[in-house]
Amino acid sequence: AQKITQTQPGMFVQEKEAVTLDCTYDTSDPSYGLFWYKQPSSGEMIFLIYQGSYDQQNATEGRYSLNFQKARKSANLVISASQLGDSAMYFCAMRVLQGAQKLVFGQGTRLTINP
Amino acid sequence: DTAVSQTPKYLVTQMGNDKSIKCEQNLGHDTMYWYKQDSKKFLKIMFSYNNKELIINETVPNRFSPKSPDKAHLNLHINSLELGDSAVYFCASSQGTGGNGYTFGSGTRLTVV
Repeated sequence: AQKITQTQPGMFVQEKEAVTLDCTYDTSDPSYGLFWYKQPSSGEMIFLIYQGSYDQQNATEGRYSLNFQKARKSANLVISASQLGDSAMYFCAMRVLQGAQKLVFGQGTRLTINP
Repeated sequence: DTAVSQTPKYLVTQMGNDKSIKCEQNLGHDTMYWYKQDSKKFLKIMFSYNNKELIINETVPNRFSPKSPDKAHLNLHINSLELGDSAVYFCASSQGTGGNGYTFGSGTRLTVV
């Protein structure tokens, strides 16, 4: 069975600082993908970044980067130069690439950016 | 141009009623899903259809019945609504195995009173 753990229920960061949101995962499947989604107060799920288990380099998308450490089974999201609009819930999720490809989500981290 | 659209966005209904949520995707994806987000924001898969065939059915009460008339549509019908069914329901679709191939709708907030 797959499991995602996000150990930070809430984080408070000063604007313009970098922030790291933690995510650890557990799976016995060799092929999987790791996602980060942002959910603002308006409720929609916004895709941020993706890392495949066989990708050699860490994924980056603008101010978002994924610190993928396969041996430690961690996939932390790093947001550089945080902005007030980054305040939201952030979810880490895993997708096993065999069989039915559901997403398994972590509990989420509520990020608050202070001015 | 909405990729995955759900209707309605908000649904308030009384206990015991039957209601449906509709989902349509125009991405040409083969697989569609229903996820439930509870009051603690936890997201969990409920159902998945691949090309109109049910492939995931998590431990969901029989009162919930998905229907996929074609691969672009996946509707969720809920009978005899209970207070505990209050949640946000997300439809999603996917194709392939990459990150950009998994798309969520904007959610339906169901409130049972």
